[in-house]
Amino acid sequence: DGGITQSPKYLFRKEGQNVTLSCEQNLNHDAMYWYRQDPGQGLRLIYYSQIVNDFQKGDIAEGYSVSREKKESFPLTVTSAQKNPTAFYLCASSIGQGASGANVLTFGAGSRLTVL
Amino acid sequence: EDKVVQSPLSLVVHEGDTVTLNCSYEVTNFRSLLWYKQEKKAPTFLFMLTSSGIEKKSGRLSSILDKKELFSILNITATQTGDSAVYLCAVEVQGAQKLVFGQGTRLTINP
Repeated sequence: DGGITQSPKYLFRKEGQNVTLSCEQNLNHDAMYWYRQDPGQGLRLIYYSQIVNDFQKGDIAEGYSVSREKKESFPLTVTSAQKNPTAFYLCASSIGQGASGANVLTFGAGSRLTVL
Repeated sequence: EDKVVQSPLSLVVHEGDTVTLNCSYEVTNFRSLLWYKQEKKAPTFLFMLTSSGIEKKSGRLSSILDKKELFSILNITATQTGDSAVYLCAVEVQGAQKLVFGQGTRLTINP
């Protein structure tokens, strides 16, 4: 089945540690996204990538980093510079640029990060 | 700044009731509006709306867009406990290659 796989589902981290969340898709989608979800705030865009080896900052990129070395993979690193990293992180993908609806997102099941 | 606002933020009804969820938006260059349902983890796609006044329907769910007044509604008739979820509204902005999401409406259906 085609889809998006995020891992780990749950992650605990001590303050000051970097952590990397994995996102892999087999949908052959060009575009990939990382969103953060906090209670009462909906989804906020962290980073997105339209093609391999290129990515753009979203609305809340500070304290995060990404890479896009392969079309299928878009890992997110939460660095120690992120002041409030405890959240639910959602990875998504879409067909990409083109006609209306090209940005209809397919989501992964999410990763819940808790900083102790 | 592009903005999407949903209301109510939370709603509790009894099974069998009909509910209406609201989504209003202010964006620089509107392309489409999307509704998603999030039960536990991954949001799942419900509808995409691009034209005013044309209702999209899927079973007991329906949605319509008003591009003049800049809002959309999602209706659910004869609600069931399985409709309990967070419903997310998002707007696709022309040229921005991304979606702007609202805060979501948490719908709880009691038996």
